[in-house]
Amino acid sequence: DTGVSQDPRHKITKRGQNVTFRCDPISEHNRLYWYRQTLGQGPEFLTYFQNEAQLEKSRLLSDRFSAERPKGSFSTLEIQRTEQGDSAMYLCASSPGGSRATDTQYFGPGTRLTVL
Amino acid sequence: SQQGEEDPQALSIQEGENATMNCSYKTSINNLQWYRQNSGRGLVHLILIRSNEREKHSGRLRVTLDTSKKSSSLLITASRAADTASYFCATSGGTSYGKLTFGQGTILTVHP
Repeated sequence: DTGVSQDPRHKITKRGQNVTFRCDPISEHNRLYWYRQTLGQGPEFLTYFQNEAQLEKSRLLSDRFSAERPKGSFSTLEIQRTEQGDSAMYLCASSPGGSRATDTQYFGPGTRLTVL
Repeated sequence: SQQGEEDPQALSIQEGENATMNCSYKTSINNLQWYRQNSGRGLVHLILIRSNEREKHSGRLRVTLDTSKKSSSLLITASRAADTASYFCATSGGTSYGKLTFGQGTILTVHP
């Protein structure tokens, strides 16, 4: 399977715990994106990387959230001191990039986070 | 905050009928994309239309874009039960080349 993969697919945690999600983009895709989706809503942009550089962050990404893409390949999204409001589906996407234009984003299956 | 608004929020039709979903947005865009999401799963890209295009076709899909009205429509012809899903429009614009802004989606149910 050469699509975007995310791990884990489901995560249940207690309030106050830290969680980390991993995303593996399509091979050779330069851009990688993180979105958050709550029930009944469309995805909301969190952040994106061009190779290893984090180029844009949403105001939704509070100080408790951090994302990295250390070698320009996979990415991790960490949430510290989780709150019940963090419960959502966290979606990762990648795109070829390589130009200044917005291109088609290919999404992974998502990680569903439940904070108890 | 969501830029787009989809209309209707829910649509229920019979197999073989056409389904039309509309999307409105607020700011200028570079392009507009439509995605499909089956229950609880990731999004699948359907079609991208650039701001200088007015209409685009892909198989049973037809997308129109009216930048003067800041609106787009997605038409699915000869619908099938497998088309049952949520459909989202997403826009990109300004100097942000990475960020997609999604609408709230239209839930389409196609009855066999």
